[in-house]
Amino acid sequence: GAVVSQHPSWVICKSGTSVKIECRSLDFQATTMFWYRQFPKQSLMLMATSNEGSKATYEQGVEKDKFLINHASLTLSTLTVTSAHPEDSSFYICSANPDGSGTYNEQFFGPGTRLTVL
Amino acid sequence: GESVGLHLPTLSVQEGDNSIINCAYSNSASDYFIWYKQESGKGPQFIIDIRSNMDKRQGQRVTVLLNKTVKHLSLQIAATQPGDSAVYFCAEMRTGGFKTIFGAGTRLFVKA
Repeated sequence: GAVVSQHPSWVICKSGTSVKIECRSLDFQATTMFWYRQFPKQSLMLMATSNEGSKATYEQGVEKDKFLINHASLTLSTLTVTSAHPEDSSFYICSANPDGSGTYNEQFFGPGTRLTVL
Repeated sequence: GESVGLHLPTLSVQEGDNSIINCAYSNSASDYFIWYKQESGKGPQFIIDIRSNMDKRQGQRVTVLLNKTVKHLSLQIAATQPGDSAVYFCAEMRTGGFKTIFGAGTRLFVKA
């Protein structure tokens, strides 16, 4: 089946630095990808919808200047956490929908990236 | 506000028993629902889905029931196995896009 990868799988950084997380669809093209954040023992919270060739759409309460999203190609979306602070430590997960998919269940999730900000 | 939530945060069952995980949703306009399984440190894994024009759908060892009257969704797992131990999320996908909104989650423990 379709595979979505994320890189890195985990990252530790110092407070105030920026961290970039990549989300790739390995065997399909995806005009639309999604970024989620998940704190321990909590659910996935949708952060933004990443659109290839246009600006990302952010959910209410998510700072677009802090969480920069770039969807530069049909197989790659990146999330950059700028000036990271300890409260940004979380599990970041992306998902992607294959272009041309007519069925709702064609959404594939990446394995997640664990971010720890010291 | 709109939400997709769960009645039980944890569920412990004996191996071989059936498991039932419940979910309530508040947006009557939602037209598609999905159950996901998430193991520790991994992304969600699709289990089964159901459209709003259906009230039941069966898969391999799993059944999803949808009661639109009371806005209730359930996941039934038959003959629960230790490998079923995970956190289960219900989610809704809304018309106009593939954006998925997740519920709170239930952790399932399977006792051997």
